[in-house]
Amino acid sequence: EDKVVQSPLSLVVHEGDTVTLNCSYEVTNFRSLLWYKQEKKAPTFLFMLTSSGIEKKSGRLSSILDKKELFSILNITATQTGDSAVYLCAVVRGAQKLVFGQGTRLTINP
Amino acid sequence: EAQVTQNPRYLITVTGKKLTVTCSQNMNHEYMSWYRQDPGLGLRQIYYSMNVEVTDKGDVPEGYKVSRKEKRNFPLILESPSPNQTSLYFCASSLWSQNAYEQYFGPGTRLTVT
Repeated sequence: EDKVVQSPLSLVVHEGDTVTLNCSYEVTNFRSLLWYKQEKKAPTFLFMLTSSGIEKKSGRLSSILDKKELFSILNITATQTGDSAVYLCAVVRGAQKLVFGQGTRLTINP
Repeated sequence: EAQVTQNPRYLITVTGKKLTVTCSQNMNHEYMSWYRQDPGLGLRQIYYSMNVEVTDKGDVPEGYKVSRKEKRNFPLILESPSPNQTSLYFCASSLWSQNAYEQYFGPGTRLTVT
């Protein structure tokens, strides 16, 4: 059975800390891995990863994929209260089907 | 403005009363999809469509129907809603490419079936 597992499920840190969110997967016919940020309602797209070892970066956020070990990490440096959200990992597999992880709820305290 | 719209945003209905949740996108995207989000279960894909008249089941299609008669619209139909379909529903769309794509999500529809 295809599955995507995120860890930790919940994380509370202080503003300015650096955090690492994990996403491991077991799926057939892997195509790509996606990261989303969900604040109040709809998820918003962060990164799309298809190749191992190539870091994607956007400001203080970065992500990398390891297709051999079947995981991805999302790093956020110098966290701010506006980074508080649920971060979702999803894997695109086979015929354009998506499998989402449960999400990591990140809380940044001032 | 590029967007995905859903209607209604909130709906309370009774068991067995047919309903339709509409989804429309103005980005000329080929790919559209419906998800439900439940606490502790994350987002689960219900149905998706890779183009007009092409639809396929996701992981939780039971109790739902979809149609894709036009590229911009992808309605979700619940023929006989039941309480276990109470959930937060998201529609999403994206360009389709061979290996990967990013999806744009609508604002969500919170459905309660009593």
